[in-house]
Amino acid sequence: GAGVSQSPSNKVTEKGKDVELRCDPISGHTALYWYRQSLGQGLEFLIYFQGNSAPDKSGLPSDRFSAERTGGSVSTLTIQRTQQEDSAVYLCASSQAGFNEQFFGPGTRLTVL
Amino acid sequence: KQEVTQIPAALSVPEGENLVLNCSFTDSAIYNLQWFRQDPGKGLTSLLLIQSSQREQTSGRLNASLDKSSGRSTLYIAASQPGDSATYLCAVVVDSSYKLIFGSGTRLLVRP
Repeated sequence: GAGVSQSPSNKVTEKGKDVELRCDPISGHTALYWYRQSLGQGLEFLIYFQGNSAPDKSGLPSDRFSAERTGGSVSTLTIQRTQQEDSAVYLCASSQAGFNEQFFGPGTRLTVL
Repeated sequence: KQEVTQIPAALSVPEGENLVLNCSFTDSAIYNLQWFRQDPGKGLTSLLLIQSSQREQTSGRLNASLDKSSGRSTLYIAASQPGDSATYLCAVVVDSSYKLIFGSGTRLLVRP
């Protein structure tokens, strides 16, 4: 596709449920990032994938968060046993390599009731 | 620890005015700096990327400058238009990593 796409655009879930968020990066981009944007914390890094290297998970806030990237393309961010503080917009970005311009998707707005 | 600050937090100007948005960072060891705009309820749109070896980048009515030694970048918007109303974010990539570290943004309103 022309840009980074994310699905769903909105997700409302109940506390304690698991959710999966999907990201399709720009074709040919080897680097993929997940960020979270919340009112209290601003924009913060979560996880980074580069090619076949082990991902950098240093930004994940707890072990309830995990992500995978299949075939070097699509990525899924999974949040288990969601909490109200997980409510935020989850943004995905991709770039040609780790230090190049990052292009963002429209985000998934997650609301945990 | 790298910290990015944007001043002012909010700005309201009449249409046609030239304006400057400021971004400062505490650690000058950056790899690059990127400016974004974000419209309400939307994702981030990349505006300009400045590599650490560059002093400025231009795109249309936008000009971004970078002074690594003083830890500052400015985004200059010429002849502002109501369509420029958005939140503008700057972010840096630190040499030792690749993740973007964001400022809190400047919310710009251009009044017709």
